[in-house]
Amino acid sequence: GAVVSQHPSWVICKSGTSVKIECRSLDFQATTMFWYRQFPKQSLMLMATSNEGSKATYEQGVEKDKFLINHASLTLSTLTVTSAHPEDSSFYICSARDEGGRPYNEQFFGPGTRLTVL
Amino acid sequence: QKEVEQDPGPLSVPEGAIVSLNCTYSNSAFQYFMWYRQYSRKGPELLMYTYSSGNKEDGRFTAQVDKSSKYISLFIRDSQPSDSATYLCAMSRVNAGGTSYGKLTFGQGTILTVHP
Repeated sequence: GAVVSQHPSWVICKSGTSVKIECRSLDFQATTMFWYRQFPKQSLMLMATSNEGSKATYEQGVEKDKFLINHASLTLSTLTVTSAHPEDSSFYICSARDEGGRPYNEQFFGPGTRLTVL
Repeated sequence: QKEVEQDPGPLSVPEGAIVSLNCTYSNSAFQYFMWYRQYSRKGPELLMYTYSSGNKEDGRFTAQVDKSSKYISLFIRDSQPSDSATYLCAMSRVNAGGTSYGKLTFGQGTILTVHP
């Protein structure tokens, strides 16, 4: 299957700093990537849809000025958590959609980034 | 009410048992139904997907969709300790072209432990 990588795999930062997380599709091009967050023992909640070359679409309740998304190329999307606070501590997972022309455009998930804000 | 409901378990079974995992949903627009497996501190990986109603089998795994009841199931036969993971159901609508709409709505996930 296709491979999606995330970097870093974990990060610890101080409150008030900004953190950038990268999501890369390694062996396919993805015009659409998705960013999720997952709290312990809870499900994945979609934060935003990242579209290559255009603005991201944010889900209701997600602050777009706090979670900045950039999808500058067909293989890279970045999520920047600005002015992070302890409540932003979570597991952030990206996925990339393989739009290979089949009816079901499978999303491949990255391994996740664990963010801890002190 | 959540769009997708899934019993979080945890579920503990002996090796070799048949495991039944289930989700219910409320949005009748969902047409694609997926099951993902997620190991601890990893991203989900797709096990199976089904379009509309019916059954689908892949090795030890069988997925069933009953749209009339808004109920989906995943059965695991001859369960193995390596099957121990969190199982997430997910669903999506279709766009005007009939392909799957990108946004996935996940269930809470069921934690499964298969003990030797």
